[in-house]
Amino acid sequence: DGGITQSPKYLFRKEGQNVTLSCEQNLNHDAMYWYRQDPGQGLRLIYYSQIVNDFQKGDIAEGYSVSREKKESFPLTVTSAQKNPTAFYLCATRDRALTEAFFGQGTRLTVV
Amino acid sequence: QQQVKQSPQSLIVQKGGIPIINCAYENTAFDYFPWYQQFPGKGPALLIAIRPDVSEKKEGRFTISFNKSAKQFSLHIMDSQPGDSATYFCAASRAPGNTPLVFGKGTRLSVIA
Repeated sequence: DGGITQSPKYLFRKEGQNVTLSCEQNLNHDAMYWYRQDPGQGLRLIYYSQIVNDFQKGDIAEGYSVSREKKESFPLTVTSAQKNPTAFYLCATRDRALTEAFFGQGTRLTVV
Repeated sequence: QQQVKQSPQSLIVQKGGIPIINCAYENTAFDYFPWYQQFPGKGPALLIAIRPDVSEKKEGRFTISFNKSAKQFSLHIMDSQPGDSATYFCAASRAPGNTPLVFGKGTRLSVIA
C-alpha cells in the first residue's frame, strides 16, 4: 500500500513538553515537507528537505526541529519553544521529476 | 508577505451552480499552479493543475482559467454537487518539481441542495 503515513492521528501535549510527529513515505520521493494548518490561515511551510541529510527552514520554523536521516522518514519535533502549537500538521512529498505533491492524512496536535 | 492571495474565504452555492474561486500571485518565477481539495480531518488531494503556457485546462467538471499577464488564475466547478462541499486551496511553485508549494488561505465551499 503506497503512500504517506503520519502518526499519530491525534496527539496531546502538556505545557513545556516536546513531542515528535512521524512521517513515513514509500513513494521514493526525494523531497518531503511539513506544513501547519490553522483555520483561515491556509497551509504554512515549517521545514522541508530536498535530499537526505539536508533540510531548510520554511516560513514558520521557530519552535520546531526536523531530521532527515533516511529518504523514507522526516520526523517533526514540536519543542517547548513553540508557544502556540495547537494545529493540524500535514506532511507532504514531491518528486523532482514530477509536479504533484502528495499529502498524508495529518496529525492533530492539542495542548492540554 | 502573502505570495498567493485567494478569494473568497467562503462560498455558498445552490446545487447545479458554478462556484468560482480566484487566486493572484506576485512571483513571476512561479510556473506550476495546482488546486487542492480538502475534506474535514483529511489531507489535501490534488484536483487539477496548470502550467503558464496554457490559458485553460478542463478535467471533468473542474476548469482552471489562467491569465499570465494579470498573474491570476481561477477554479470553476461546473454543475456543483453537495459532495463538492470542501475547502479548496490554490498553490504555486517554481521549478524544479521538488521546490515547496506556496498555498493560498483557502476557500470553504458549501453546495446546498
